[in-house]
Amino acid sequence: AQSVSQHNHHVILSEAASLELGCNYSYGGTVNLFWYVQYPGQHLQLLLKYFSGDPLVKGIKGFEAEFIKSKFSFNLRKPTVQWSDTAEYFCAVKPHNQGGKLIFGQGTELSVKP
Amino acid sequence: NAGVTQTPKFQVLKTGQSMTLQCAQDMNHEYMSWYRQDPGMGLRLIHYSVGAGITDQGEVPNGYNVSRSTTEDFPLRLLSAAPSQTSVYFCASSYRELHQQYFGPGTRLTVT
Repeated sequence: AQSVSQHNHHVILSEAASLELGCNYSYGGTVNLFWYVQYPGQHLQLLLKYFSGDPLVKGIKGFEAEFIKSKFSFNLRKPTVQWSDTAEYFCAVKPHNQGGKLIFGQGTELSVKP
Repeated sequence: NAGVTQTPKFQVLKTGQSMTLQCAQDMNHEYMSWYRQDPGMGLRLIHYSVGAGITDQGEVPNGYNVSRSTTEDFPLRLLSAAPSQTSVYFCASSYRELHQQYFGPGTRLTVT
């Protein structure tokens, strides 16, 4: 069965620290890849997406992610985090030819200390 | 555009009661879906629709029904609520099945 794995369940950082959140998926075919963010009490918002082309994609608020096909990974990065980045982050994979199903990872809760 | 709207925002049900969670979008999106979010489990797909009149099951469909009579609306029905259905429910839509999904604000459901 297809699955998405996020390695870190809870990450605690100080402001200005660098961030990397891991995401791996299990599916051998073509996929579209997404990172969503959920701020406390709010609904999910798209951070960035990869469909094709340059495997390094840039999203909103200084986030970026790199698609490494050989490793089935799509890790999220940010050079310096801010207190306002405190949120839950979800990696999601949309396999092609699967009726549009979006498969989510378990989520990573990020707490940034001021 | 209002985007994706969901009603109600909160609901408390007793075991065995039925109810319908409403979802509507005004973006003329073909693809709509329902997820439930539970702590430590991310979002899991319940049902989805690739267009009016077409629905299919997701990962956790048991206990839920859907229909898609119009492009705009995609209601989720709980036939006989159970405590295991206590969760936050999100509706989402996208232009086509491979495009970015837009999420509604969610419905927090408690079944006692």
